[in-house]
Amino acid sequence: SQQGEEDPQALSIQEGENATMNCSYKTSINNLQWYRQNSGRGLVHLILIRSNEREKHSGRLRVTLDTSKKSSSLLITASRAADTASYFCATVYGFGNEKLTFGTGTRLTIIP
Amino acid sequence: EAQVTQNPRYLITVTGKKLTVTCSQNMNHEYMSWYRQDPGLGLRQIYYSMNVEVTDKGDVPEGYKVSRKEKRNFPLILESPSPNQTSLYFCASRDRPGGSYEQYFGPGTRLTVT
Repeated sequence: SQQGEEDPQALSIQEGENATMNCSYKTSINNLQWYRQNSGRGLVHLILIRSNEREKHSGRLRVTLDTSKKSSSLLITASRAADTASYFCATVYGFGNEKLTFGTGTRLTIIP
Repeated sequence: EAQVTQNPRYLITVTGKKLTVTCSQNMNHEYMSWYRQDPGLGLRQIYYSMNVEVTDKGDVPEGYKVSRKEKRNFPLILESPSPNQTSLYFCASRDRPGGSYEQYFGPGTRLTVT
């Protein structure tokens, strides 16, 4: 299995601070995606980074990818209470199915 | 509004009683899949479908069936549910294999099998 692993499992920070989450995976990938899940609800796609990209930005989100280390990080700047959620990385490998293989997630809590 | 819908959202049932969880998307997506989410295990793919009448097993297909008779619908069938199928289930869809990789998820179905 090439299931990813997020680190840390849980993170609590003050509102306004930056939050960094890391993801490691085991095999080669086509792309890596980050999703957010509010408690018990569906996942929402945040950002996708392809295997030939090293960094990508979207609003307050910054994602990096290091394929040599098989790792990625998600940075959320100037956090808000509404950012409280679980964050998952998901890798895509191969062709045809191109299924998402999810990590176990980081639970982020923003303290007002 | 582009969305994936699932029904029911919550279901409590007993061992062995057949049930179906429906999934429907309104984005004309070719690719649909089912995942289950369990604490500490993340999301795992159960079945997927790359188009109408084309379905295949994911990582944890045992005890589940699916069908894809129409492009928009992808029901998940538990012929004889067991307690180890108690979980949170998500249906997802995306454009097409080789197209946009962003997946759209339904709101989830929380299933309890007693």
